[in-house]
Amino acid sequence: DAKTTQPPSMDCAEGRAANLPCNHSTISGNEYVYWYRQIHSQGPQYIIHGLKNNETNEMASLIITEDRKSSTLILPHATLRDTAVYYCIVRVDVVLTGGGNKLTFGTGTQLKVEL
Amino acid sequence: KAGVTQTPRYLIKTRGQQVTLSCSPISGHRSVSWYQQTPGQGLQFLFEYFSETQRNKGNFPGRFSGRQFSNSRSEMNVSTLELGDSALYLCASSHRPGGWDTQYFGPGTRLTVL
Repeated sequence: DAKTTQPPSMDCAEGRAANLPCNHSTISGNEYVYWYRQIHSQGPQYIIHGLKNNETNEMASLIITEDRKSSTLILPHATLRDTAVYYCIVRVDVVLTGGGNKLTFGTGTQLKVEL
Repeated sequence: KAGVTQTPRYLIKTRGQQVTLSCSPISGHRSVSWYQQTPGQGLQFLFEYFSETQRNKGNFPGRFSGRQFSNSRSEMNVSTLELGDSALYLCASSHRPGGWDTQYFGPGTRLTVL
């Protein structure tokens, strides 16, 4: 699975958009970009994933560059409860390849949302 | 629907001892994965079980083992504990192997080795 690079920490004012970047320059054509977050003392929580096109769900939007070497997770209106470590993961769709559930997390970005 | 549960939530052991951690997946989920989380290494995959069979394994020594029962509940065991085994151990469940966009994590077991 491709390696990802994320800034170690970011701050965001409550109510503003939080834009979390991720570099995955070695991504291959069949690898997806996934985002999870982990709020202190809880297990990781799935946020969103995508392959090429931008994706949006009730939690966030995912913007993937045309060359797919980087992506940005956008929390449109950050709240204090969005304070967490955000993990960007790149990997093959294991459903199609028959692989298992192995997730490789990096150190993520600690997002701090403040008043 | 109840979430993934893990027991115990906190555990303190000494070097050389062994420990068994338990995970009950969400009802209907048959795949259970285990992860180790430490401050310096982040989350690292240990192994995954589906239908009582280990399907995938991370790069951990043989002291780390696991199993899954017919009701999908899973246990992991660490023998001859070392100080470096102090970590948060997380369990995640999903309907099927590879369904990891719908993988749900439990709260974890915080293991401290003295």
